[in-house]
Amino acid sequence: SQTIHQWPATLVQPVGSPLSLECTVEGTSNPNLYWYRQAAGRGLQLLFYSVGIGQISSEVPQNLSASRPQDRQFILSSKKLLLSDSGFYLCAWSIGQGIYEQYFGPGTRLTVT
Amino acid sequence: GEDVEQSLFLSVREGDSSVINCTYTDSSSTYLYWYKQEPGAGLQLLTYIFSNMDMKQDQRLTVLLNKKDKHLSLRIADTQTGDSAIYFCAESIRGSTLGRLYFGRGTQLTVWP
Repeated sequence: SQTIHQWPATLVQPVGSPLSLECTVEGTSNPNLYWYRQAAGRGLQLLFYSVGIGQISSEVPQNLSASRPQDRQFILSSKKLLLSDSGFYLCAWSIGQGIYEQYFGPGTRLTVT
Repeated sequence: GEDVEQSLFLSVREGDSSVINCTYTDSSSTYLYWYKQEPGAGLQLLTYIFSNMDMKQDQRLTVLLNKKDKHLSLRIADTQTGDSAIYFCAESIRGSTLGRLYFGRGTQLTVWP
């Protein structure tokens, strides 16, 4: 069966520090991968998606970046965090065509102080 | 556009039925989804409906789709305190980026004993 992992689960970082959040998927090949941020308003904002290794698309301009060094690994990074980067970061995957249901990881709670 | 709207809050008594409503704007929807998010956790796919269907039932869950009004609802029969969570409506759109979903802001369901 497929599983998705995210780490760390929680993170407190000062403004201006770097960030690296990791997401890995097991039990499937060539998944579509997504990073979402859920801020205080609870809506889900799609940040990045990837349909293959090295293929990253950004939905909104920001000081975050994403990379996909391996088929089932998706990394969210920042060189210098802002207060507004605080939120709950969710990674998700989907496969193929058709139903497009997405499966979410447990999330990372990021607090920028 | 891809606007998905939901009411933000719903409170019901344990044992009653809950109805969570959602409206969307894009007539090119292919599938519509309901996700559940428990506190501090990722999103869990509850059910989905193909856009050419009117109804889908899955145990205590009933999904109704009114394509003319672009209205989707989720009915939970015999609501339990364990059903307390945030429920997200989402749609996928024909011709959109592979696997792209558009989410509403979520409805916080509170079940009182």
